[in-house]
Amino acid sequence: EAEVAQSPRYKITEKSQAVAFWCDPISGHATLYWYRQILGQGPELLVQFQDESVVDDSQLPKDRFSAERLKGVDSTLKIQPAELGDSAMYLCASSLGTVNTEAFFGQGTRLTVV
Amino acid sequence: AQRVTQPEKLLSVFKGAPVELKCNYSYSGSPELFWYVQYSRQRLQLLLRHISRESIKGFTADLNKGETSFHLKKPFAQEEDSAMYYCALSGTGSYIPTFGRGTSLIVHP
Repeated sequence: EAEVAQSPRYKITEKSQAVAFWCDPISGHATLYWYRQILGQGPELLVQFQDESVVDDSQLPKDRFSAERLKGVDSTLKIQPAELGDSAMYLCASSLGTVNTEAFFGQGTRLTVV
Repeated sequence: AQRVTQPEKLLSVFKGAPVELKCNYSYSGSPELFWYVQYSRQRLQLLLRHISRESIKGFTADLNKGETSFHLKKPFAQEEDSAMYYCALSGTGSYIPTFGRGTSLIVHP
């Protein structure tokens, strides 16, 4: 069964360092999402791609966060510099891209900033 | 703006008891509502959506536009239903699901 792949599963980094997460969506899924989930809260959308284009990044802290999906397939989310408050689970999801379709989630990357 | 409210952080029941996980939403248009579930050490996955009107694993949810609610119900809870449940909303023409904070369901033997 096809799944969304994310790496790494866990990442510990020091404050002010750079960190990057990778996501490979299900083949054929045009829409890709990055969510952040702080402990005890629901997932919060950071950025949405439709193919290689950003559809919505209104909740992405652009002074330190960046995301790209250059060929419209896999995607990278970067944080530079990392802050203590960035500690969270970062989830990637993908969907076929038509309206109101199911989002399939990856296992997530657990980031701890120390 | 769209918003999803799940008032209960934790719901604890005994096996065989009825379960109702509450979800209220705020959206000015016509919403699409979902329930996602996350079992221990597994990824978040879709449980059901209102448009399909299905019963999945014994769970049902009815969209009540008058009360702006989409409560998840099951008449007889099972231990394997223990998980985190998230209500989510997409607006008409929007691809972007907005999630509630989640309710942890614990079913005791």
